[in-house]
Amino acid sequence: DIQMTQSPSSLSASVGDRVTISCRASQSINTYLNWYQQKPGKAPKLLIYAASNLQSGVPSRFSGSGSGTYFTLTISNLRPEDFAAYFCQQSYTLPLTFGGGTKMEIK
Amino acid sequence: QVQLQESGPRLVKPSQTLSLTCTVSGGSITSGSYYWNWVRQPAGKGLEWIGRIYSSGTTNYNPSLKNRVTISVDTSRSQFSLRLDSVTAADTALYFCARDLGYPNTDSWGQGTQVTVSS
Repeated sequence: DIQMTQSPSSLSASVGDRVTISCRASQSINTYLNWYQQKPGKAPKLLIYAASNLQSGVPSRFSGSGSGTYFTLTISNLRPEDFAAYFCQQSYTLPLTFGGGTKMEIK
Repeated sequence: QVQLQESGPRLVKPSQTLSLTCTVSGGSITSGSYYWNWVRQPAGKGLEWIGRIYSSGTTNYNPSLKNRVTISVDTSRSQFSLRLDSVTAADTALYFCARDLGYPNTDSWGQGTQVTVSS
């Protein structure tokens, strides 16, 4: 299985901040990397697909980059509704695997 | 806009079988070519992919579940189902059904259903 390692596991930030979350794959996955946002008790929501493509309807303050084994999700100008958990997920090979998640809280 | 809704028992006894159904509305489960998935999340933890069934009927499962999983589809009811045998407390989780994980414009999830394994 491909292991996905996210860092940090948690972070505190303020409204208006810019934050970056990283995700590292245990082997190259090209750009088969997706990012999800999840709020408590809710289903994950797709933000970024294929490493850097913004899902329709997702604000442009979200951006993704990377290829191979290292990827980042950057959120600029944090809004109150952005405080949530974020997960990366590889779709390069089966079994599909997720990172352990990054929980973002308001400072 | 497709909608997915999980249903099934909330409490299952150890060693028994967990059975969940996902009802798809707003579009036929057979129209188009999609992957229909099950994903679970223990409380406070990360997401684990359980498996999927393709529109053709082909299935793929997570080897970590060691042949305990079966996913099937009932096209007449526009539903797909999860069966997990020989459950233990470690199978307690929030279970989600989802379409096309990571695919733009077709990625959709149900709201999730909590299943507890306990005697």
